[in-house]
Amino acid sequence: AQSVTQLGSHVSVSEGALVLLRCNYSSSVPPYLFWYVQYPNQGLQLLLKYTSAATLVKGINGFEAEFKKSETSFHLTKPSAHMSDAAEYFCAVSVANTGNQFYFGTGTSLTVIP
Amino acid sequence: DADVTQTPRNRITKTGKRIMLECSQTKGHDRMYWYRQDPGLGLRLIYYSFDVKDINKGEISDGYSVSRQAQAKFSLSLESAIPNQTALYFCATSDTGTGSRNIQYFGAGTRLSVL
Repeated sequence: AQSVTQLGSHVSVSEGALVLLRCNYSSSVPPYLFWYVQYPNQGLQLLLKYTSAATLVKGINGFEAEFKKSETSFHLTKPSAHMSDAAEYFCAVSVANTGNQFYFGTGTSLTVIP
Repeated sequence: DADVTQTPRNRITKTGKRIMLECSQTKGHDRMYWYRQDPGLGLRLIYYSFDVKDINKGEISDGYSVSRQAQAKFSLSLESAIPNQTALYFCATSDTGTGSRNIQYFGAGTRLSVL
């Protein structure tokens, strides 16, 4: 079975500080991995995806994530937080043998402190 | 215009009422999905459809039904709404395929309150 665990339902960082949002997955087969962002009163928007190419994936708005198979992790980072990064972030896993269904984590709310 | 459109955006209804949430898409995708979002629980899959004739139950289908009227339209119904169905509902679409085509695109959501 596939699952996603996001450690920390709430993360606060100062403006300009490193952002690190954690995601660990469980999958019996090679997964596809995604990070989505949800701004207030909006739907989910894709930040970046891993689909078995390069393990370091760069996304929009300066975010990146690294796929580490040995650690079953796909943590999201950004070197310097902006106020506009305040949002809810969701990690998701998908595998081909489930018809590419998505399994989402419970989300991490990021607060950026001025 | 949005690629995935959900109507209504907000709805308040009473316990026992039948309600339908609608989703339409202009992305030409075969696959469509309905999720509900609850605080602390993330997104949970209610139903999904891989084409007009293929509809499948998701993790939490009890109390819900769906209709795929066309490739572009996928409706979610609550036959007899109850308060614990108060949530934010999202429709999503995806292309048929794997790898770089395996991305889900979301509508803006419908906020439903059942009193």
